[in-house]
Amino acid sequence: QSVLTQPPSVSGAPGQRVTISCTGSSSNIGAGYDVHWYQQLPGTAPKLLIYGNSNRPSGVPDRFSGSKSGTSASLAISGLQAEDEADYYCQSYDSSLSGSVVFGGGTKLTVL
Amino acid sequence: QLQLQESGPGLVKPSETLSLTCTVSGGSISSSSYYWGWIRQPPGKGLEWIGSIYYSGSTYYNPSLKSRVTISVDTSKNQFSLKLSSVTAADTAVYYCAEAPSGSRAHLGWGQGTLVTVSS
Repeated sequence: QSVLTQPPSVSGAPGQRVTISCTGSSSNIGAGYDVHWYQQLPGTAPKLLIYGNSNRPSGVPDRFSGSKSGTSASLAISGLQAEDEADYYCQSYDSSLSGSVVFGGGTKLTVL
Repeated sequence: QLQLQESGPGLVKPSETLSLTCTVSGGSISSSSYYWGWIRQPPGKGLEWIGSIYYSGSTYYNPSLKSRVTISVDTSKNQFSLKLSSVTAADTAVYYCAEAPSGSRAHLGWGQGTLVTVSS
């Protein structure tokens, strides 16, 4: 059981918009700690997609956006492309776990 | 931009100690600009944070692994290391080293990962 909860899978057709949720609690997201998002293509290391809730590192297309509200965060992908098919993970910090970095369980995005 | 590369045995026997090293290039491991971490991913499963070490030497470990984990830095070699003792088959995973800018816990740079299998 992950501290942060993500849906196991989401899907969408090319060109559509999908969102992936990340639900936490008052000791992590709800406490104001930042949420970061990673994309992991098959057989590769994770890549930072969104940091500090809504910021994109250099080189990440603006089709990817992040938001946070209360004890949850979301990753939105617009203009879905075939190459977006990957696993996506959220990450935050939990103050109840001795300074732990925590990950969501991951969401598999399928582009139909 | 920083580059990270994991190295170490790909096969470890049960009850023994897993030891991995991450070599950093493109920047100094003793810089206050970064912190360094280890993250693992069992086959077919999600990411699990193992622990992190700051430039000051402070370490933070996953409570579920804390009794078995040691992360350390070798500034002379620009490397940081992971030791995980008393391993079992449940510790079989791809192990990644990663870095985050100081003040953030967003892991920007990652190594390619190394598969460690625990088996006799």
